[in-house]
Amino acid sequence: DTGVSQDPRHKITKRGQNVTFRCDPISEHNRLYWYRQTLGQGPEFLTYFQNEAQLEKSRLLSDRFSAERPKGSFSTLEIQRTEQGDSAMYLCASSYGQTDSGNTIYFGEGSWLTVV
Amino acid sequence: DAKTTQPNSMESNEEEPVHLPCNHSTISGTDYIHWYRQLPSQGPEYVIHGLTSNVNNRMASLAIAEDRKSSTLILHRATLRDAAVYYCILYSGSARQLTFGSGTQLTVLP
Repeated sequence: DTGVSQDPRHKITKRGQNVTFRCDPISEHNRLYWYRQTLGQGPEFLTYFQNEAQLEKSRLLSDRFSAERPKGSFSTLEIQRTEQGDSAMYLCASSYGQTDSGNTIYFGEGSWLTVV
Repeated sequence: DAKTTQPNSMESNEEEPVHLPCNHSTISGTDYIHWYRQLPSQGPEYVIHGLTSNVNNRMASLAIAEDRKSSTLILHRATLRDAAVYYCILYSGSARQLTFGSGTQLTVLP
């Protein structure tokens, strides 16, 4: 399968611990996105990379959140000192685009985080 | 960001066509109309997108009003596997992100 891959799919952690999620985008996709989704809500944008450059961050991305995309391939999203409010599904998505056109964005299956 | 308005929920019978409406009266000339759907416990899945003309693909058809202020996603024969939340999204590549609303929960009745 050559879709967007996320790992782990599920994570339960104690409040205050750090967690890291990994995303492997579709090969040759230069754009990568992270979203967060809570129950009953649509996905909310967190951050966007074009190649290795992080070009946009939502105000939802507090100082405890950091995302990287070294070498413009896979990406990691780290949450430090987790809080119960961080419990959500974290979605990664990727797309290919060289121009500002309506390119299709492909999502992974998501990583579920439960903070207890 | 230009916003879309969708009904919260709709029901359809299996094997019948479904028309999912979306209003986007503040759409700009560079906004593409995208539809995604999300099955329970899965990530959103691309369905279709268009700019001005009606579009067809293997999953669905997209009918766009002439003034582009509304559109309709058409599932020609609903199946139980089509039960999902359907999101209508206006997307301009320069925005660098999709902005999801609350979508329409489609229930397909056997």
